[in-house]
Amino acid sequence: KQEVTQIPAALSVPEGENLVLNCSFTDSAIYNLQWFRQDPGKGLTSLLLIQSSQREQTSGRLNASLDKSSGRSTLYIAASQPGDSATYLCAVRGETSGSRLTFGEGTQLTVNP
Amino acid sequence: DARVTQTPRHKVTEMGQEVTMRCQPILGHNTVFWYRQTMMQGLELLAYFRNRAPLDDSGMPKDRFSAEMPDATLATLKIQPSEPRDSAVYFCASGLVLAPSYNEQFFGPGTRLTVL
Repeated sequence: KQEVTQIPAALSVPEGENLVLNCSFTDSAIYNLQWFRQDPGKGLTSLLLIQSSQREQTSGRLNASLDKSSGRSTLYIAASQPGDSATYLCAVRGETSGSRLTFGEGTQLTVNP
Repeated sequence: DARVTQTPRHKVTEMGQEVTMRCQPILGHNTVFWYRQTMMQGLELLAYFRNRAPLDDSGMPKDRFSAEMPDATLATLKIQPSEPRDSAVYFCASGLVLAPSYNEQFFGPGTRLTVL
């Protein structure tokens, strides 16, 4: 059974810092990995989708990397801003799980002005 | 600006009552998902549909939950009878799955359900 773990559970940084969020998964047989952000009381917003054949994806100040063989992904946020404060979730889609996504518990990020 | 819509956004009901949640997926998407989010369990997949046919409902308590897609623009999730442990945020998501390896999901704002 696939398990997804995110470290740290919570992170507080001053504005302007570069930061890294970590995601690990136990079964490396995945099709893709998706990073989401969730604002309090809101739904999930898709940030980046990395296919298993890719090493990284970039969108603006966000860069996500994937090391499938070691079961790890990182989300790098450059020059963090207070508006980046949210919970960040990673989810993997296993090769044997149809379209089912398995989610991590999330990292709650606070960027202080 | 295409997005998934869900109604109602909030629902408070009493134990034993029927609850119906609705979702309008993004036009053209062929796959619709229902998730439940709680503090204790995090995000759990309840069921999903491809081209309106149910593909996986293994995460759903079958005795009280039912999910349907009457047409391509509407998905429903019903709970009858509702129980306090059903209190959670229920999310609908949709995606266009054209190949086994591609599956980006787009989430709606959720229905916050409270069962008293």
